[in-house]
Amino acid sequence: SAVISQKPSRDICQRGTSLTIQCQVDSQVTMMFWYRQQPGQSLTLIATANQGSEATYESGFVIDKFPISRPNLTFSTLTVSNMSPEDSSIYLCSVGQSQETQYFGPGTRLLVL
Amino acid sequence: GNSVTQMEGPVTLSEEAFLTINCTYTATGYPSLFWYVQYPGEGLQLLLKATKADDKGSNKGFEATYRKETTSFHLEKGSVQVSDSAVYFCALDSGGYQKVTFGIGTKLQVIP
Repeated sequence: SAVISQKPSRDICQRGTSLTIQCQVDSQVTMMFWYRQQPGQSLTLIATANQGSEATYESGFVIDKFPISRPNLTFSTLTVSNMSPEDSSIYLCSVGQSQETQYFGPGTRLLVL
Repeated sequence: GNSVTQMEGPVTLSEEAFLTINCTYTATGYPSLFWYVQYPGEGLQLLLKATKADDKGSNKGFEATYRKETTSFHLEKGSVQVSDSAVYFCALDSGGYQKVTFGIGTKLQVIP
């Protein structure tokens, strides 16, 4: 299994600002995913990030709001831009290392005031 | 499209009680099925999985059997402990490891 770390683990931000979340994996992986878990809700996939290409966004999510970088096979960032209180969520990155199994990072807990 | 339906919680049990969390799914083809667990303040961890019909996934005393005829993957444990208190997510993946579909999550609270 992959070991995944995220930074920051939590943050409190003011509306209108942006936050960049980092995801680091201890091995090279092809596919990385970013999810959002709103309070009391299940996980919703934001986008899929492949190294060397633009991220693929799910319906309801756009690049201007959630720009993603994937500079190499072990690292990715997700930026939450122009934040509002509705963006308060847990943001998780995950990797698909082996067929049919995803491994998740510990999550970043974001509160927007 | 794919969907996962699981019982809403919270579920409150006494220690050593029997646990069942129901999960049913709708999917095209032959999906792989998963149970993930999220302990308080932590990220998701894979608890168990099954990749084909009649497979039984098991881990830490938890079991779930892939029932294609009833499109179900119910999670069971014979004797729960306080340390099992967490949120449990049923999930499916119908094509490699892309676009995993999650259920809403069931919160389990085990009291001494």
